[in-house]
Amino acid sequence: QVHLQPWGASLLKPSETLSLTCAVYSASFRGYSWSWVRQPPGKGLEWLGEVIPAGDANYSPSFKSRVTISRDMSKNQFSLKLSSVTVADTAVYFCARVFLASGLRSYMDVWGNGTTVTVSS
Amino acid sequence: IQLTQSPSFLSASVGDTVTITCRASQDIVTSLAWYQQKPGKAPDLLIYDASTFYNGVSSKFSGSGSGTDFTLTIHSLQPEDFATYYCQEVDTDSRSFGPGTKVDIK
Repeated sequence: QVHLQPWGASLLKPSETLSLTCAVYSASFRGYSWSWVRQPPGKGLEWLGEVIPAGDANYSPSFKSRVTISRDMSKNQFSLKLSSVTVADTAVYFCARVFLASGLRSYMDVWGNGTTVTVSS
Repeated sequence: IQLTQSPSFLSASVGDTVTITCRASQDIVTSLAWYQQKPGKAPDLLIYDASTFYNGVSSKFSGSGSGTDFTLTIHSLQPEDFATYYCQEVDTDSRSFGPGTKVDIK
């Protein structure tokens, strides 16, 4: 069984940097890609990006200028940093495991509980 | 790339069969997933590659389509199926989600 648990600061001021970490309780951390998705209150899902087994990251063009996703294989954790936050970044943030289907298509099959981040002055 | 879903809201009864449509603004072949999300919970993967069941997902859910038009059909709705359903494309760097379809009890 794979279990993902995100944690990090839940209240930020505008212009600060959001920082979240997702702990992965699984023996097979290094063989997968790991991603972040967010959901603003009452709205839909937004994919932020992923870190792949080689250690590189892929980012959504919408967030590429502000987001950094990295991993720490020694701790079975991966992290999200989102800079220069505004109130529009208030959301529930989810971490998820990615599995590769045919043609190396990436789908998110195991999700952690969301963690709420509020940006307010 | 933009994904649209229709309807945005669907009211149905237990036992009904319902169909949700997802349309992409460009050809994404079969690079599409369907997720179910219940209030306060993370999404669950139902279907990937447009029509392949994820492990353990009930066969009451079926996906079809290719190119720009896709459908998710839910047969014999049960109380646990009332949720919001999202499509997601994985063909582009955006990995965009559709806006969601909320399936509610009539």
